Amino acid sequence: DAGVTQSPTHLIKTRGQHVTLRCSPISGHKSVSWYQQVLGQGPQFIFQYYEKEERGRGNFPDRFSARQFPNYSSELNVNALLLGDSALYLCASTPDRGRREKLFFGSGTQLSVL
Amino acid sequence: DQQVKQNSPSLSVQEGRISILNCDYTNSMFDYFLWYKKYPAEGPTFLISISSIKDKNEDGRFTVFLNKSAKHLSLHIVPSQPGDSAVYFCAAISYGGATNKLIFGTGTLLAVQP
Repeated sequence: DAGVTQSPTHLIKTRGQHVTLRCSPISGHKSVSWYQQVLGQGPQFIFQYYEKEERGRGNFPDRFSARQFPNYSSELNVNALLLGDSALYLCASTPDRGRREKLFFGSGTQLSVL
Repeated sequence: DQQVKQNSPSLSVQEGRISILNCDYTNSMFDYFLWYKKYPAEGPTFLISISSIKDKNEDGRFTVFLNKSAKHLSLHIVPSQPGDSAVYFCAAISYGGATNKLIFGTGTLLAVQP
């Protein structure tokens, strides 16, 4: 079975632009979470979605938004990009039952803002 | 406010010896503690976890110890192998809310020398 897939793998944008990152969870997983990993830091929670509903939001500005589609895939949108948004963006999925702490991560999207 | 801390950015160990990675936390309300391993260009992968009501959990070469009074946990890898070389993240989760938000430490880069 395919794991969590994210696209694109790399992206270069300039300040002020908008970006959309995409994630497909493992088949059968209904929950998707987004994390931001800045160089030298651990991943930081941005959003969690379950059954298309937002379940939680981290300490990120309103420029960050997300949604989940009926097929459980998800998009993360970031508006008005800043240099500090440069990071690895990780998507993770979990099944609707079982251990909530065991997240399955994709390989991430490396975003560079110039 | 960093709730999960990994104070050693790197660790170098000889193949066959024991690797000990350390993690401290500040929030007594965490329900589970986890270790994730991350190779370059890949997402983090779940390694092992421990409930806050336990003091030890073992899975093959990997053992996690939890000292609640000291708010400290450690991951022991015995024997260490070159393939264990990766960044190890300590993480924690509280089940009080609806999310499965993980709080990550900053990571420790383990290098196992052949």
